[in-house]
Amino acid sequence: DTGVSQDPRHKITKRGQNVTFRCDPISEHNRLYWYRQTLGQGPEFLTYFQNEAQLEKSRLLSDRFSAERPKGSFSTLEIQRTEQGDSAMYLCASSLRLGEDAEAFFGQGTRLTVV
Amino acid sequence: GNSVTQMEGPVTLSEEAFLTINCTYTATGYPSLFWYVQYPGEGLQLLLKATKADDKGSNKGFEATYRKETTSFHLEKGSVQVSDSAVYFCALGYNTDKLIFGTGTRLQVFP
Repeated sequence: DTGVSQDPRHKITKRGQNVTFRCDPISEHNRLYWYRQTLGQGPEFLTYFQNEAQLEKSRLLSDRFSAERPKGSFSTLEIQRTEQGDSAMYLCASSLRLGEDAEAFFGQGTRLTVV
Repeated sequence: GNSVTQMEGPVTLSEEAFLTINCTYTATGYPSLFWYVQYPGEGLQLLLKATKADDKGSNKGFEATYRKETTSFHLEKGSVQVSDSAVYFCALGYNTDKLIFGTGTRLQVFP
């Protein structure tokens, strides 16, 4: 098992462009999470899926953001009409829902820079 | 709402010094508490966790005790090494629903 992988690792885009990030969770994990981390801050929750169902979205997830998890495997996070304030590290995590014994495993993140 | 507050860094120590990184939380009910570590260039890794009051989580010489009476989960290590230099995040969560993180504390250990 190679852990949670994210692609790309870095993305530089011009303001107004659309970007899409991909996350491949650990294969047997049914929960997948997206977080955003800005410089000097801790990760902030954006959304999560159980299998293919998106169960919760943070108020941080404006209508320019959309996430999908078709077939309950990999997930994509798309940002439309990017703004400079979207510059951040986007983290993906996955877990197996086992109650108290579950652990969330994080990917290395996609660093987005909007210029 | 639920929140986590941890001490600001950087914390700068000499090798073999004692480490404490303070973490307090505000939460309803009985969350689980976590410490995650982020080494330079790497993703977040779970360091230790505690799921109920008075539990002690431990790993790699680090310890933290879930104190409900003081709503705290302070991270301690008796003797730090240069390789412990990283950013440490305190977090709370409920049955692996979303985690709520503190702002992180950078630890720098010098030989």
